[in-house]
Amino acid sequence: ILNVEQSPQSLHVQEGDSTNFTCSFPSSNFYALHWYRWETAKSPEALFVMTLNGDEKKKGRISATLNTKEGYSYLYIKGSQPEDSATYLCAFLHSGGGADGLTFGKGTHLIIQP
Amino acid sequence: DAGITQSPRHKVTETGTPVTLRCHQTENHRYMYWYRQDPGHGLRLIHYSYGVKDTDKGEVSDGYSVSRSKTEDFLLTLESATSSQTSVYFCAISDGENEKLFFGSGTQLSVL
Repeated sequence: ILNVEQSPQSLHVQEGDSTNFTCSFPSSNFYALHWYRWETAKSPEALFVMTLNGDEKKKGRISATLNTKEGYSYLYIKGSQPEDSATYLCAFLHSGGGADGLTFGKGTHLIIQP
Repeated sequence: DAGITQSPRHKVTETGTPVTLRCHQTENHRYMYWYRQDPGHGLRLIHYSYGVKDTDKGEVSDGYSVSRSKTEDFLLTLESATSSQTSVYFCAISDGENEKLFFGSGTQLSVL
């Protein structure tokens, strides 16, 4: 079982502030790193799939970076809004894995306070 | 939104009874998955399918079986439900084994 760690577990941020959190994964046998947003009472929704070291993806105010050599990815949210409140999941896919190779972290629960 | 429907949305059953959860997709995606979500754990893969009648086990497959007789339907069966199988079950689909997942709305299962 692969170790995918997300920190912090939960985070309270004031509306308008920017924030970031971390996903750590094994630095060997990397294939891809997924980020998902999971709003309460909804289902997880894909944000990014990242495959290359140094990759940077952006979707509106949300961006992510990837460092495969040291085994981490950061998710950044600029100018947080109440609708950003959600649990953010990362999932690591190793190079030996196929459809069963995706290992999820436990998530970072983000609460934006108005 | 990806066309994925899970049924039922909620189910309460008794220990020892069989339970079947259904996942139906209208996207014609090749891969379908069943995950469970429990407090203190990330999403954990139960079983997955890579085509009609092609299925394989995931990390937590004990006590579960699956079937895929049509591209659009993926059934998860608990042959004899136990309290440890109380969980939220998510179906997901993807266009390829390394592609992003699209999730259904989940099924809350309580085994009493």
